Amino acid sequence: DAMVIQNPRYQVTQFGKPVTLSCSQTLNHNVMYWYQQKSSQAPKLLFHYYDKDFNNEADTPDNFQSRRPNTSFCFLDIRSPGLGDAAMYLCATSRATVGSTDTQYFGPGTRLTVL
Amino acid sequence: QQQVKQSPQSLIVQKGGIPIINCAYENTAFDYFPWYQQFPGKGPALLIAIRPDVSEKKEGRFTISFNKSAKQFSLHIMDSQPGDSATYFCAAGRRNTPLVFGKGTRLSVIA
Repeated sequence: DAMVIQNPRYQVTQFGKPVTLSCSQTLNHNVMYWYQQKSSQAPKLLFHYYDKDFNNEADTPDNFQSRRPNTSFCFLDIRSPGLGDAAMYLCATSRATVGSTDTQYFGPGTRLTVL
Repeated sequence: QQQVKQSPQSLIVQKGGIPIINCAYENTAFDYFPWYQQFPGKGPALLIAIRPDVSEKKEGRFTISFNKSAKQFSLHIMDSQPGDSATYFCAAGRRNTPLVFGKGTRLSVIA
């Protein structure tokens, strides 16, 4: 049973053409994350939502935006993709509870190609 | 203080061998240490995790050893198989903050 779903799995866009990646979850987790992963590298956190609170990493380019309209869905918008934005984009979720650190569950990723 | 240092970067073992991947951290506030397994073109999948109140945890062929005083933890894969060939990431977490990942170890198990 899919728990963290990402669509599309593969996305091709043109240089400078806006693109939106989507993530949905059936876990009812209150925290959702977006990561960028380039080949042979660790996932790099772009931002995360703790409930509706948006937390941006200091080095995330302004070109990357996110929306979380409800608990289940989260979107990553790349306003003007450059060649350097070609990567795997991973969505993850976790259930934050008082007094405990919970694990993150990742989706299958969206492979973004920029032409 | 937020870094997690992982080694080696890559590892080749023969089938049946016991690869060991090591991670070290600085921040003593970390209280959760998961390992993720990632196959090419897939998202990372949780493999096994440990909290600092125990020194070892086993799940099937996978074992985490944890040394709190040394601020180190490691993953051992018993009787490794070619299907274990993947990239392994250690991570460290603390309450209400995202996980901090190591740089990953690419494991190849050859028959």
